[in-house]
Amino acid sequence: DTAVSQTPKYLVTQMGNDKSIKCEQNLGHDTMYWYKQDSKKFLKIMFSYNNKELIINETVPNRFSPKSPDKAHLNLHINSLELGDSAVYFCASSQVGMGYSPLHFGNGTRLTVT
Amino acid sequence: QQPVQSPQAVILREGEDAVINCSSSKALYSVHWYRQKHGEAPVFLMILLKGGEQKGHEKISASFNEKKQQSSLYLTASQLSYSGTYFCGTEAPSNTGKLIFGQGTTLQVKP
Repeated sequence: DTAVSQTPKYLVTQMGNDKSIKCEQNLGHDTMYWYKQDSKKFLKIMFSYNNKELIINETVPNRFSPKSPDKAHLNLHINSLELGDSAVYFCASSQVGMGYSPLHFGNGTRLTVT
Repeated sequence: QQPVQSPQAVILREGEDAVINCSSSKALYSVHWYRQKHGEAPVFLMILLKGGEQKGHEKISASFNEKKQQSSLYLTASQLSYSGTYFCGTEAPSNTGKLIFGQGTTLQVKP
C-alpha cells in the first residue's frame, strides 16, 4: 500500500489554465504539506494543514489554494497558471508533536506550463 | 532562513567516506536528513533531536551540535546506492513540523 499518493504524476498545460493536484495519505498522520521543488532542486514549503486546519501559509501567490476535506486528504488548486509555476510539487505528511516526526513524501507531480 | 549545506557536490569511489555539513543561523528543535534519487521523492534517513547525539542508519550516521546549530552527516564505506542528493531540513523550536531545507548536496559514488 502506498503511504502518500498523489495524482497526477505528470501535468502539462498551457498558461492561464487552472489545474488541481490531489494527495491522500493512509498513515494516520495529522499534518499534511505541499512542497515545491524547482529546477535547481530547491525544496520549499508552501502550505501545511493540521487536522484540516491551515497552519502554515508561506508567501505563495493567491492563485494557489489548498483544500483539506479531511485529515487524510490535501489537494492543491492552481488558477491562471504561469510559466514560473513549472516545478515538481510534493505532498508530504507527518505526525507533529511527537519529537520523532519524519516527513513521508508522495512521488511528486511534475507540472509543466507551456 | 535556509540552512547552508556544504559541500555542494561530492564525487567518491566505492568504499570511501564523506561528510556533509548543515549549518543554520537560527536555534533549532531538530534536524532531518533526506536522500533524493533522480526522478524520485526525498526519502527520510534520520532525525537528530539532541545536541551531540549521533544516530545511525546502515553505514550512515549523523551528529547535531545544538549550540553551534550545525549537523553533519557521515557516510562511511560508501556504496553505489548512496548516490543522490542529500538534504538537511531544519525545524524551529516552535515544533510545527515545518522544515526548511538546505540547498542540497549531490553525492556521486563511482565503481
